[in-house]
Amino acid sequence: EPEVTQTPSHQVTQMGQEVILRCVPISNHLYFYWYRQILGQKVEFLVSFYNNEISEKSEIFDDQFSVERPDGSNFTLKIRSTKLEDSAMYFCASSEALFWPHSYEQYFGPGTRLTVT
Amino acid sequence: KNEVEQSPQNLTAQEGEFITINCSYSVGISALHWLQQHPGGGIVSLFMLSSGKKKHGRLIATINIQEKHSSLHITASHPRDSAVYICAVSTSGTYKYIFGTGTRLKVLA
Repeated sequence: EPEVTQTPSHQVTQMGQEVILRCVPISNHLYFYWYRQILGQKVEFLVSFYNNEISEKSEIFDDQFSVERPDGSNFTLKIRSTKLEDSAMYFCASSEALFWPHSYEQYFGPGTRLTVT
Repeated sequence: KNEVEQSPQNLTAQEGEFITINCSYSVGISALHWLQQHPGGGIVSLFMLSSGKKKHGRLIATINIQEKHSSLHITASHPRDSAVYICAVSTSGTYKYIFGTGTRLKVLA
C-alpha cells in the first residue's frame, strides 16, 4: 500500500544551523502539508502546498521556514536558523485532492523528530 | 480557546470495556477526522466524517453537525487499542486539519 515517507527519522542539530526535512508524498497526490507536534502538545498546522506554491500557512510558518518541491517526488521543509523552540516532531502529509471530500483525506508520514541543542 | 476540544484527556479501561471518546468543535467544518497516534509517533487515519455514522471493525464514529459534536466508540476494547486518539477538523474553505489535544487511552489486560 502506498505510504508517505520521511527522512531522517531523527535529526539533531545545533541552534542557528539550517536543517532540511524531507518527505516523499504518495505518488499521485497533489496536496502536501507540514505539521509539527511539540512534545506533549497537540499537532499544529504549518503550511499547505499545491500546484508548486504555498496555498495556506500558519502564524508559526515565519520567514525562517520555507518549503519546496525540488523534483517530482520530494517535498522539503527548510528551517533556516534553528532555535531551541523548533524542537518537535514534524509530520508531512499528502492528499489526492481530486474529488471533495473523500480524496482530501490526508495521509501522514511517520514523522521526523528534530532536536535542537 | 481551542477550536477542537476532546474529553477525557486520559482514559484507562479494562480489556473488554466499551469506550467512548468525545470531541466538540466551535468552527464551521467540512469534515471531521478521527486519528490514532501510537507511542512511536506515527499518525493513522481512522475515520473521515461529514455526517451520520461510520463503523470499521470494533470502532464506531458518529457526528452530530447541529450540536458540533462527535464521538468515537471502541467496543470490546483490547490492550492493542492503547494509543492516543485525536479528533481533527477540516474547516470550511480550507483543507488543513485543526487538531484536538488527543485522548490517551490505556487498556489493561
